[in-house]
Amino acid sequence: AQTVTQSQPEMSVQEAETVTLSCTYDTSESNYYLFWYKQPPSRQMILVIRQEAYKQQNATENRFSVNFQKAAKSFSLKISDSQLGDTAMYFCAFTQNSGNTPLVFGKGTRLSVIA
Amino acid sequence: ETGVTQSPTHLIKTRGQQVTLRCSSQSGHNTVSWYQQALGQGPQFIFQYYREEENGRGNFPPRFSGLQFPNYSSELNVNALELDDSALYLCASSLGSYEKLFFGSGTQLSVL
Repeated sequence: AQTVTQSQPEMSVQEAETVTLSCTYDTSESNYYLFWYKQPPSRQMILVIRQEAYKQQNATENRFSVNFQKAAKSFSLKISDSQLGDTAMYFCAFTQNSGNTPLVFGKGTRLSVIA
Repeated sequence: ETGVTQSPTHLIKTRGQQVTLRCSSQSGHNTVSWYQQALGQGPQFIFQYYREEENGRGNFPPRFSGLQFPNYSSELNVNALELDDSALYLCASSLGSYEKLFFGSGTQLSVL
């Protein structure tokens, strides 16, 4: 079974600084998608960024970027110029077979951005 | 364009009771997935409905059941509630796949 591991239960960062959240996953598939979701206190899961496994180029969305290491099965999220509104739970998630199977989530990392 | 809406936002039940949670999918979406998020955990997949048919199920007992209606809204029903059913229940809609999910804000269920 596929598993997603987030080894950092909590992290904090100063406003305007950069922080990296870690994620590793386990799969025997070669074609899959990886995601980072943000869950603020409103509880709604918001997609931050997605990566297709067959693309070697790392995905970027404004201040958010990933470091995708397929051989190491690692998928970290870098947040640059951290803002107070980035304070939230962050979940790494995986779906195999080009998105035709359910998302498998990690346990999350609680990020606090400090003024 | 309206997003995914869930009702109620909070619910308190006692052990053994039955509960129904509701979800309205985003406009144009024909697929609804339900997830259970226990405290301190990531969401776990319960099941998915595509065009009114169950299209996948996670490791949840049969007392978790669902429906999808012709307008693609959905219900999650849980019978014989147990204390461990206390969790945030998230609904997500999409257009036929798991790849691009849009989530609602969830229903917080407390079982006493």
